[in-house]
Amino acid sequence: AQSVSQHNHHVILSEAASLELGCNYSYGGTVNLFWYVQYPGQHLQLLLKYFSGDPLVKGIKGFEAEFIKSKFSFNLRKPSVQWSDTAEYFCAVMRNRDDKIIFGKGTRLHILP
Amino acid sequence: GAGVSQSPSNKVTEKGKDVELRCDPISGHTALYWYRQSLGQGLEFLIYFQGNSAPDKSGLPSDRFSAERTGGSVSTLTIQRTQQEDSAVYLCASSLVSLAGSSYNEQFFGPGTRLTVL
Repeated sequence: AQSVSQHNHHVILSEAASLELGCNYSYGGTVNLFWYVQYPGQHLQLLLKYFSGDPLVKGIKGFEAEFIKSKFSFNLRKPSVQWSDTAEYFCAVMRNRDDKIIFGKGTRLHILP
Repeated sequence: GAGVSQSPSNKVTEKGKDVELRCDPISGHTALYWYRQSLGQGLEFLIYFQGNSAPDKSGLPSDRFSAERTGGSVSTLTIQRTQQEDSAVYLCASSLVSLAGSSYNEQFFGPGTRLTVL
């Protein structure tokens, strides 16, 4: 069964629009949570991560994500997107029972200039 | 030193041939992962090595796939008797540790090997 679900496969927004990308996971134990980004032609790189403490995590380039344990969610947000945010975004979960990192299927974000 | 490197960057092979894909992780990183990236399928977990522990092979799609990590460093992913459905980008990632609750869990990805099976 898929452990990480990203509901939006392809999102198109105009510049300055607000962004929220959904991520839900199905594992009930302790988790670490990640968002990775892959810009066109580049490697995957870490955007932000949650491992403990404040459930609101701030990452690079103005992105943030909130861990809501009761909803098994870790949605990614940005108040005002830029054309340079065009990329594919992946949510990932590390489960404490096996320390393995599982990725979602990704969301392709296209920002219109 | 440099980041994670993978070779070759591109590999075209004929159906039925064996291929070997190589990953050089960042020096000192104890954890190493292999993923397969196909269009619309995201990153499919294949196998993961953590220090001297037995590897987690639960993601390998068939017994044609195998991987080893020598000396806790370089890893090789081998696909025997390749099939057309094996065509994908194979990504390697390493991290300093791979332990739930640690702040050092960031994975660093290589550029991938694009495998095309004709």
